[in-house]
Amino acid sequence: DIQMTQSPSSLSASVGDRVTITCRASQSISSYLNWYQQKPGKAPKLLIYAASSLQSGVPSRFSGSGSGTDFTLTISSLQPEDFAVYYCQQTYRSPLTFGGGTKVEIK
Amino acid sequence: QVQLVQSGAEVKKPGASVKVSCKASGYTFTSYAMHWVRQAPGQRLEWMGWINAGNGNTKYSQKFQGRVTITRDTSASTAYMELSGLRSEDTAVYYCARTTPGCGGDCRHDYWGQGTLVTVSS
Repeated sequence: DIQMTQSPSSLSASVGDRVTITCRASQSISSYLNWYQQKPGKAPKLLIYAASSLQSGVPSRFSGSGSGTDFTLTISSLQPEDFAVYYCQQTYRSPLTFGGGTKVEIK
Repeated sequence: QVQLVQSGAEVKKPGASVKVSCKASGYTFTSYAMHWVRQAPGQRLEWMGWINAGNGNTKYSQKFQGRVTITRDTSASTAYMELSGLRSEDTAVYYCARTTPGCGGDCRHDYWGQGTLVTVSS
């Protein structure tokens, strides 16, 4: 199975901060990488697909980059509604696998 | 608007089976795949398997092979996930997720159900 490793596992940031989350795959997955946001008690929400494509309706402060094994999710200016857990997912090969999550907390 | 509405919470004893439903609306059910993902308390998301809602073909994670069965009823626009041989470690929230074609490549879970809590306890 392809292992997905996210870092950091948690971070504290202030409203307006630029936040970067990284995701590393245990082997090359081309650009087949998605990012999801999950708030407590809610289902995940798709933010970014194919490493860098913004899902319809998602604010432009979210962006993704990377290919191969290393990927990044960036929030350019953190907003109060962005405090949540973020997961990466590879869809290159079955079984589809998710990262361990990054919890973004209020500083 | 696309909606996925799942069945309600379940409490099961070890060794029993559970069947969770996911009713879709707002799109052509047979044009997308339906995947199932679970999340144990405090744990990461875990992919279980999927069904091609058009032709009924399925693929399961090796971890659940032999215990999970995903089916669909096209007349009701509903997908089902049945998990047998339940154990305490299967206590989790189970999600269905509409998925674009192409997994094993470019695909994405673009809409999710609200989740169904399955508790396994003696």
